[in-house]
Formats: sequence, structure tokens, C-alpha cells
Amino acid sequence: ETGVTQSPTHLIKTRGQQVTLRCSSQSGHNTVSWYQQALGQGPQFIFQYYREEENGRGNFPPRFSGLQFPNYSSELNVNALELDDSALYLCASTGIRGPRDEQFFGPGTRLTVL
Amino acid sequence: TQLLEQSPQFLSIQEGENLTVYCNSSSVFSSLQWYRQEPGEGPVLLVTVVTGGEVKKLKRLTFQFGDARKDSSLHITAAQPGDTGLYLCAGSPPSGTYKYIFGTGTRLKVLA
Repeated sequence: ETGVTQSPTHLIKTRGQQVTLRCSSQSGHNTVSWYQQALGQGPQFIFQYYREEENGRGNFPPRFSGLQFPNYSSELNVNALELDDSALYLCASTGIRGPRDEQFFGPGTRLTVL
Repeated sequence: TQLLEQSPQFLSIQEGENLTVYCNSSSVFSSLQWYRQEPGEGPVLLVTVVTGGEVKKLKRLTFQFGDARKDSSLHITAAQPGDTGLYLCAGSPPSGTYKYIFGTGTRLKVLA
């Protein structure tokens, strides 16, 4: 069973640029959630995709967008990068959608915006 | 807005000591999860609790979900240096969207 993978591991961008982060969900998982974790804080929910449709969104502006593909892998796109977007971006996949659903996290992508 | 507050924020203890981490909210959650995160890695799930009053044990770790499903605690007995890490609680609101609200985190350091 393959775990959740994310790419790239690290990324450095400048203010105003655009970035795409990628996530491959765990085998058999059809739900992917994206989180932003600033240094020293808990992860903040960005949005979730279930069977290629957005299924819930946190308090993030529209310049944060995403996609889920038929194989359930996912992308997070951020336009017009700001300094405060510097964070660890985590992807989590879930297989069983119920009270005992378990999220399995990838190692994250560390984004630095200069 | 649903919030989860964890306490303490930081904890530094000697090997062999016991400790308790608290996760509190004014909101009800349908389930609550505890994670441990190492530097540079994603959070790793430790346990999920669903029923009010539920107690789960994982070796030296004991997790409890409050009767009203608004709070939870993690108790570690005889802490070891390998327990060092960031402990996060995450609650799933009863709205059915299966998105999680994470707590502020407790950074634990166990000294040998």
C-alpha cells in the first residue's frame, strides 16, 4: 500500500508568482484535503475534494484553488503569492467517510515566499 | 467559528514523568483525533475517539473524549525521549463535511 506523497518537498517563490503543489493520495482513497501550517501553529483547513468535486472550504481567498483528478491525485494552486503564504502545505487522504474516518498525511511541501 | 485550544503550549519534562495535554472547545465534535508531528514531517494519526466518555489506550498513552464531546485529553505515563514532538488534536464538526479543525498544538520535549 502506497502512502500519501507530495511534491515538491521544498519550493522558493517570490511575491506575486504562482505555485502548484501536487499530492498523490493513498491507494483506494477518494477524498483529499489540503491544509496550511504556519510555523509554530496547527494546520488550517484550506479545502477538500471528494470524487473530483470541491467538498468544503476553509477561510482562504479564491486565489487558493485546487483540482482532483480521476485517479484521486490532487493539486493546490496559489496565485499572486504573498509573504504570509510561506508555510508547510499538507495533503491528507481519507478512504472511509464517516465518524471514524482516518486522515493520512503526506510529508508536506515547504513553501517560502520572498 | 469553531476553535480548539490546547494546553499547555509547551512542556519540557524529565524522562519517566507523567503528563496530560488538554484539548478544549465550546463546540461539539462528531469525532476527535490526536496526532503527533515530527519536524519536517506530516502529522501521524495516534487515535480517533467518537463516543462521549470514550477512553482509548495506546501503550503508555491514554486518550479520553469528554462526555459532551467538546473536549479531550491525552495522558502519557512514564514519558520517554521518543515521545518528543508536536501533539495536535483535531475535531470533525457534526456538519458531515469531514473537514477537521486543528488545535493550536502542544510541543513536548522529554529530556533523558
